[in-house]
Amino acid sequence: AQSVSQHNHHVILSEAASLELGCNYSYGGTVNLFWYVQYPGQHLQLLLKYFSGDPLVKGIKGFEAEFIKSKFSFNLRKPSVQWSDTAEYFCAVNERGYQKVTFGTGTKLQVIP
Amino acid sequence: DAGITQSPRHKVTETGTPVTLRCHQTENHRYMYWYRQDPGHGLRLIHYSYGVKDTDKGEVSDGYSVSRSKTEDFLLTLESATSSQTSVYFCAISETQGEDQPQHFGDGTRLSIL
Repeated sequence: AQSVSQHNHHVILSEAASLELGCNYSYGGTVNLFWYVQYPGQHLQLLLKYFSGDPLVKGIKGFEAEFIKSKFSFNLRKPSVQWSDTAEYFCAVNERGYQKVTFGTGTKLQVIP
Repeated sequence: DAGITQSPRHKVTETGTPVTLRCHQTENHRYMYWYRQDPGHGLRLIHYSYGVKDTDKGEVSDGYSVSRSKTEDFLLTLESATSSQTSVYFCAISETQGEDQPQHFGDGTRLSIL
């Protein structure tokens, strides 16, 4: 069964700091990869997705993620965070062609003004 | 935002009572999902549906049943609620047209079982 690991459970950064959130998955086949964000009290929203092609994916709000197949990783990055980025971030993966998605346990990001 | 409505948004009930949560979509998407979100566990799939009357179990299906009699509605039922089912429940939808599509989520239902 596939699994997703997010090693950072809680990250605290000052505004303008750079962000990198780790995501590793365990599955040997072809996968689709996603990052979702959940702002306090809200539902999950898609930040970005990787299906194929360029392994560097750009999403909304200045976020990007890089798929490194050899490392089974899909880390999320942002060069300069803002207070409004305070939220919980979830990495997710599904096997290509199958609808069941596995989510990581999430990383809570707190940005201090 | 995708047209997904979950009802009720909040519910408090007692152990042993039946509870039904409703997910309604206006996107005519084929796939619908029920997740529960708990601290330290992220989102875990309860059940999902790949068409009218077609459903399958997720990783935490015990104690839950689902029904989908119409494309737009996906019901989650707790036949006899237990305190361990206190959680936030999210419905999601997706469509596959030649390539996998991401899921879009409803606003959630906060359920407390006393």
